[in-house]
Order: sequence, then structure tokens, then C-alpha cells
Amino acid sequence: GAVVSQHPSRVICKSGTSVKIECRSLDFQATTMFWYRQFPKKSLMLMATSNEGSKATYEQGVEKDKFLINHASLTLSTLTVTSAHPEDSSFYICSAQRGLGEQFFGPGTRLTVL
Amino acid sequence: QKEVEQDPGPLSVPEGAIVSLNCTYSNSAFQYFMWYRQYSRKGPELLMYTYSSGNKEDGRFTAQVDKSSKYISLFIRDSQPSDSATYLCAMREAAGNKLTFGGGTRVLVKP
Repeated sequence: GAVVSQHPSRVICKSGTSVKIECRSLDFQATTMFWYRQFPKKSLMLMATSNEGSKATYEQGVEKDKFLINHASLTLSTLTVTSAHPEDSSFYICSAQRGLGEQFFGPGTRLTVL
Repeated sequence: QKEVEQDPGPLSVPEGAIVSLNCTYSNSAFQYFMWYRQYSRKGPELLMYTYSSGNKEDGRFTAQVDKSSKYISLFIRDSQPSDSATYLCAMREAAGNKLTFGGGTRVLVKP
């Protein structure tokens, strides 16, 4: 399968700071990338869909000013959690769609806000 | 009722047994069906990707789709302890790219 990387894999930050997470498709170009959030023992919750060169489409209930998404190139999308608070602590996972087909997921980023 | 139903398990089998997983769904517009494996604290790994009804085999894995019954299955032959993970089914409509996931089934393969 195709390879998608995420960086950092783990981040701990203080309340009120902003955290940026990078998602890269390493061996294919992804016109569409997705950001998910996963709570312990739960399935993935789609936060937003990101298309290269255009604004992200956010799911209902996801604050776009809180979770800033930038899809600057066909291989890179970033998620910035602004003014993070303890309730933002979670496992964030990105995925990249190859063409109109499969979605490949990154390894995830564990965010802990103190 | 959820759009995609999946038994959460846990499903415990002895090493070497066949693992049988399934999902049911209600949206007849779903055309693409996927199975992902997720280890604890890791991202999901794509195992099988199928279109419409039929069977697909890849190594120890066989995916089946029965659109008439709105039922999909994944079989893992000769299961290994390393197959212990959570298995997620996912599906999407032909026109869109948003995936709808099942809740995941936790599988434990005992040596």
C-alpha cells in the first residue's frame, strides 16, 4: 500500500498554545486529504476534508477557527489546533486519497494538552 | 440505527483458526467497501478494497460483498497472534469520497 506519514507522532503542550500536525503522502499525489479524530476505543470521527489549493470542508460541529487546515501541495496537509485546551487532547489521524480510490491513513498523532 | 453496524467483540480465536468478521449497512448507495486493521495507538492500515459485489482474495485475507443483503465479510485464514488488532469496515458511495466506518471489531488471536 501507499505510505502516509504524520509528524509529530506525539506532542504535549500547555493549555492556550497552538500545535501544528503535518500529514504527507510519500509516494503518491493526493488531491484530497482527510483529518480524523479518534477517542479511546471508538471509531474514527471525520473532522474535515481538505482539497489541494482550496478551503477545507468541515464536518458539522467542528470549529474551523479552532482546527485550521491547510493543503498547500499535493503531498502535504497541515492541521493546526489553535489555543489548545485539555478537551482537545485526542488521537488525530490523517488520510490521503489516491486518485478517486483508496484512502491510506497516517500513523496518527497523540496530542496531550496540559 | 447506525448506518454501518459492526459487532465490537472481542472475538477470541486460537492461533491457526479462521477469523470471520462482518458488517451490515443500510445505505444502498454504498459501492466501495474497505477493511482496515488498526493496532493500538496506530493509524488504520488498508487490508482490502473492493468495488460492488463479489469476492476478493489477497494472501490470507478474503473479502466478500453481498450488496443484495447489504452485508460484507472479511475472513482471515491461518490466523496469527500478530493479527490481534481492531478491524474496521468502511464504505463509501460512488459519487463521494467520505468514508462511513463501522465501530470496529476487536480480535484476539491466542497462541
